[in-house]
Amino acid sequence: AQRVTQPEKLLSVFKGAPVELKCNYSYSGSPELFWYVQYSRQRLQLLLRHISRESIKGFTADLNKGETSFHLKKPFAQEEDSAMYYCALSGTGGFKTIFGAGTRLFVKA
Amino acid sequence: EPEVTQTPSHQVTQMGQEVILRCVPISNHLYFYWYRQILGQKVEFLVSFYNNEISEKSEIFDDQFSVERPDGSNFTLKIRSTKLEDSAMYFCASSPDRAGKNIQYFGAGTRLSVL
Repeated sequence: AQRVTQPEKLLSVFKGAPVELKCNYSYSGSPELFWYVQYSRQRLQLLLRHISRESIKGFTADLNKGETSFHLKKPFAQEEDSAMYYCALSGTGGFKTIFGAGTRLFVKA
Repeated sequence: EPEVTQTPSHQVTQMGQEVILRCVPISNHLYFYWYRQILGQKVEFLVSFYNNEISEKSEIFDDQFSVERPDGSNFTLKIRSTKLEDSAMYFCASSPDRAGKNIQYFGAGTRLSVL
C-alpha cells in the first residue's frame, strides 16, 4: 500500500530551537519524496524535494530508504516557519502525489 | 511569477445540484490535477489529466465526477449530483512534467459547501 505517515499533528517549539518534522512512507518501488508547506492564508507550495538535495529556508530532508523516512529538519526555528507542513510521495513517472496528514508547526517567540 | 488560478474561491450549493469548479493552469504546463481536502483530513488525489485524457484517477473519482479541458486554458472539475460528503476544499494543480518527475504548482483552492 502507498502511504505517507506524519505522526505529529502539532509541533510547538521555541524560536531558535531545532525542529524535526517526522515523515515515514510505504511504497513498493522508488518514490520521489517532497515536503510541501502552507503558510497562513497562502496556497500549498513546494518546500523541497529529495532529489534536489538542497536546503531551502534553512530546512533539509534526507531520504533514508532503510527506515523509509524523509524527516524535515532545521537547526534553528524562526517564527516565520510557523505553517502547515505536508510530506508527500510520488512514484517515479507516476501521475499522482500522495500526501501525509500534515504537521502544524508553531514557533513561539 | 505565474500562478494556478481557481474560481470561485467559495461555492455554496444544494445537495443534488451540479457544480463546476474552474482552474486556469500555468500556461506552458502539460499535466493537470485535482485534489480535495475534507476539513481536518489529508489532501487526497482525485485525478490527473494529460494530453486531453485522464491519465490516472483515484477510487474517489467515481461516475459523478468528470474533468474537461474545454479550451487551451481552462481545466474544469464537474460534480454531477453533489452530496453532503462532497463538501471540501478542492485544489487544482499543474506541472510541466509528471508528478514523479517535477513539482506541482497548486491553486489557492475552491471551498465547496454542500447544504
